Amino acid sequence: DAGITQSPRHKVTETGTPVTLRCHQTENHRYMYWYRQDPGHGLRLIHYSYGVKDTDKGEVSDGYSVSRSKTEDFLLTLESATSSQTSVYFCANQPSTGGLAFFGQGTRLTVV
Amino acid sequence: SQQGEEDPQALSIQEGENATMNCSYKTSINNLQWYRQNSGRGLVHLILIRSNEREKHSGRLRVTLDTSKKSSSLLITASRAADTASYFCATDVGAQKLVFGQGTRLTINP
Repeated sequence: DAGITQSPRHKVTETGTPVTLRCHQTENHRYMYWYRQDPGHGLRLIHYSYGVKDTDKGEVSDGYSVSRSKTEDFLLTLESATSSQTSVYFCANQPSTGGLAFFGQGTRLTVV
Repeated sequence: SQQGEEDPQALSIQEGENATMNCSYKTSINNLQWYRQNSGRGLVHLILIRSNEREKHSGRLRVTLDTSKKSSSLLITASRAADTASYFCATDVGAQKLVFGQGTRLTINP
C-alpha cells in the first residue's frame, strides 16, 4: 500500500456540515489522488496533486476542495456535505507520472 | 463518461478455469493498468502495459493490448478461490490522470 493511511476509516455526518478526510503517505511520492467509488460508476477522480501546493481538479470536483501543504499529507474537504457525497473515498499516490498507483484502504463516508 | 469500460460486469466460473475480462477505452493512452480490489479493501495494482506493447505476462496473468481497437484483455489462468475480487482497468491519459472503468466482479466457485 506504499505507506498510505487514510483517516478516518468510517464517518457519519449530517447534511450541511464540513468534513475533512486525511491521506498520509510515508513515502515522498510527488503525485497524490482522491477518488470516490460508487456502485455503477467505478472510481472517479475528484482532485489530484503533483506537488506541494500544486493541485488540480478531476472529473467530479464540484463540492470538494483539497490542500497539500506537505508532501506527505493530502486533505480532502467537503465544505458542506450533501447526501450525494455519501461514498467510499480512496486516496492514492504514484511515484512517477504514468506509473502504477498505490491505494489506501478507503474511507466510508455517510451523509445523513 | 467513463474512459474505460470493462466487460463483462460480472463473471462466475469454476475453480481451475480461466477467466477473461475485457476493457475498452476511447482516447489515446500512454499505458493501461489493471487493478484488483477485494471486498472492502483498496485497489492493488496487478500489471501495467505500455502503449507500444502488445502482450505482457506476470505469473498467472496475461494482458494484451490492441491500440488499434482501443481494447485490452486480462486473462487469469487456472483460477483459484483467492482470485475472487473486482478487477479494474485504468488508462493513463497523461496530465497525471489515471481513469478507471467500472470493473468486472469475478467470482470463483469451488
